[in-house]
Amino acid sequence: AQKVTQAQTEISVVEKEDVTLDCVYETRDTTYYLFWYKQPPSGELVFLIRRNSFDEQNEISGRYSWNFQKSTSSFNFTITASQVVDSAVYFCALIKDTGRRALTFGSGTRLQVQP
Amino acid sequence: NAGVTQTPKFQVLKTGQSMTLQCAQDMNHNSMYWYRQDPGMGLRLIYYSASEGTTDKGEVPNGYNVSRLNKREFSLRLESAAPSQTSVYFCASSELSQYSNQPQHFGDGTRLSIL
Repeated sequence: AQKVTQAQTEISVVEKEDVTLDCVYETRDTTYYLFWYKQPPSGELVFLIRRNSFDEQNEISGRYSWNFQKSTSSFNFTITASQVVDSAVYFCALIKDTGRRALTFGSGTRLQVQP
Repeated sequence: NAGVTQTPKFQVLKTGQSMTLQCAQDMNHNSMYWYRQDPGMGLRLIYYSASEGTTDKGEVPNGYNVSRLNKREFSLRLESAAPSQTSVYFCASSELSQYSNQPQHFGDGTRLSIL
């Protein structure tokens, strides 16, 4: 069975602060894919990034960056210089390469960015 | 660019009533999914369809049935609604291929309340 843990239930920061959202996963599969989704107050789910288990390169996209460390089974997400528009619930999710290819989600981290 | 369309967006039912949630995608994806989202939890898989004509149970299938009507449409039916089924329901689709890291695209959700 696979599992995704987001230990931070809620984080509150002041605008322009950097913030890191933690994600730890468990899987027995050697090939898998990790995702981050954003759910703004409007409720839709917005895809942010995917990473496969072969590729441990960190990635930066504008103010967003992701740190994938297979040794610690973590896939953390950092927002640099946070903005009010970043306020949302962020979900980390995992999908395996075989069998039922459905996402296993973490419970989400609610980020509140105060002006 | 419709993507994944869910209807209705909101619904209130009485215990014991039945209803069908509709989902359609226009991206020619093979795989379609139904998830439910409850407060403080991530999305959980109800049912999954890898391709037209096939369906498979997910993590929380009890009380639900599904129909993969054609490649575009995947409906979720509650035969006898119960208050425990009050939730937000998301439909998703993805391209199932050797590149299973393709992100799932989500509809905007259906908020369902069972009184």
